[in-house]
Amino acid sequence: NAGVMQNPRHLVRRRGQEARLRCSPMKGHSHVYWYRQLPEEGLKFMVYLQKENIIDESGMPKERFSAEFPKEGPSILRIQQVVRGDSAAYFCASSPKRGLNTEAFFGQGTRLTVV
Amino acid sequence: AQSVTQLDSQVPVFEEAPVELRCNYSSSVSVYLFWYVQYPNQGLQLLLKYLSGSTLVESINGFEAEFNKSQTSFHLRKPSVHISDTAEYFCAVSPLSGSARQLTFGSGTQLTVLP
Repeated sequence: NAGVMQNPRHLVRRRGQEARLRCSPMKGHSHVYWYRQLPEEGLKFMVYLQKENIIDESGMPKERFSAEFPKEGPSILRIQQVVRGDSAAYFCASSPKRGLNTEAFFGQGTRLTVV
Repeated sequence: AQSVTQLDSQVPVFEEAPVELRCNYSSSVSVYLFWYVQYPNQGLQLLLKYLSGSTLVESINGFEAEFNKSQTSFHLRKPSVHISDTAEYFCAVSPLSGSARQLTFGSGTQLTVLP
């Protein structure tokens, strides 16, 4: 059973370009979470999705950021018109269900560098 | 809302010495408590967690943490550290109830084990 797979591991974008980050959850997991880790900081929650639904996007910036988790395929975090401040590590986590005693498993992250 | 405070951003310690990484939290509701470890250029791995029951929880590699409800703390300890324990350690909490399961992370403690 493969773990949470994120790609690419490293992504370099010029200011103004689009960044597309992918996350394939563990097999059997239908809940996906995206977190952002800025330099010298802990992880900050961005968005929580289930298949075809955004459950909680309270941590997402209001502009330029969007996320989806389609019925088929990986979850995508999309950042339009990237700026230098978007440079960070973006982590995806998945869990099998919401509720008691569930654990979120993290991917290795995508490190985005905006130049 | 929850918040997590890790009081020490850097903890250098000599090999085979004991170590304690401090974590305090604030929450208006009951929470689960976690410690995650992040090795360089890797994702987060769950080290141990407190869900219920015994307030002392242990990991397979010798770490332990004790939940102290009155002091709202969940300090991580190891009686004798190894070079391979060098990593960043994150304390996190998650509410038991609510519409989404989210982890609130502390800012992390960099543990450096010196030979």
